[in-house]
Amino acid sequence: KNEVEQSPQNLTAQEGEFITINCSYSVGISALHWLQQHPGGGIVSLFMLSSGKKKHGRLIATINIQEKHSSLHITASHPRDSAVYICAVANAGGTSYGKLTFGQGTILTVHP
Amino acid sequence: ETGVTQSPTHLIKTRGQQVTLRCSSQSGHNTVSWYQQALGQGPQFIFQYYREEENGRGNFPPRFSGLQFPNYSSELNVNALELDDSALYLCASSLDPGGYNEQYFGPGTRLTVT
Repeated sequence: KNEVEQSPQNLTAQEGEFITINCSYSVGISALHWLQQHPGGGIVSLFMLSSGKKKHGRLIATINIQEKHSSLHITASHPRDSAVYICAVANAGGTSYGKLTFGQGTILTVHP
Repeated sequence: ETGVTQSPTHLIKTRGQQVTLRCSSQSGHNTVSWYQQALGQGPQFIFQYYREEENGRGNFPPRFSGLQFPNYSSELNVNALELDDSALYLCASSLDPGGYNEQYFGPGTRLTVT
C-alpha cells in the first residue's frame, strides 16, 4: 500500500461542476501539499496546509489530521482547470524530515 | 513562474552514458530537492541538498549523485544510465529543509535513455 493514496485516478467533469479530489496518507506528516501539473511537466504549488482549511479563488483545500485525509475542491470548474492534481506529504521526522512523498495524481478533464 | 530554472529541457542519452542536470533555485532559497517522475506516475524523492550538504536521500542507487554550490544552485549526476532512468527530473527549492516550507518547482528536464 502506498503511503499516499489519491482518488479518483481519473475524473471527467462538465464545465461548472463542483469537483472533489481526495487524498489519504498513512505516515506522520508536518504538512500536506496540493500541486497542479500541466502537460509538459511544470508543477505549481496550490496549497500547503497542516490543519483546517485554505481557500484561493475557486479552490478550497481541507485537511483532517486525525483521519489522515485531505480534500481538494474546485468550485465552478472550467476547462482551464484540466490538469493533473497531485497530493504530497512532508514527512514529520527522522531522516526523512521534510521529504515529500507524492500520490500518483488525479487526471482532471473539464469539458466545455 | 517560480524563478526556479532547469537545464537542459530535453536530453537524449545512450545506455551506459553519464548525464548532468542543472537547477538554479529561487533567490533566497538554500534548499534544493530533486525528484524523478516516470511517465504516468507521481514524482519520487531522489535527494535533498541544504547549504551544500546532502540532507536526506530516497531509494535511489549511488550512481545518482548531486552537488549544491555556494550560490545554492544544484546538479544531479547520473552515471551508467539505464533505460529505466528515462523520466522527467524535477528540482524544487525552498527556504529551508523543514516540511512546513512551500517548495517551488522548476519546469523539469525530460531525459530519454535509448
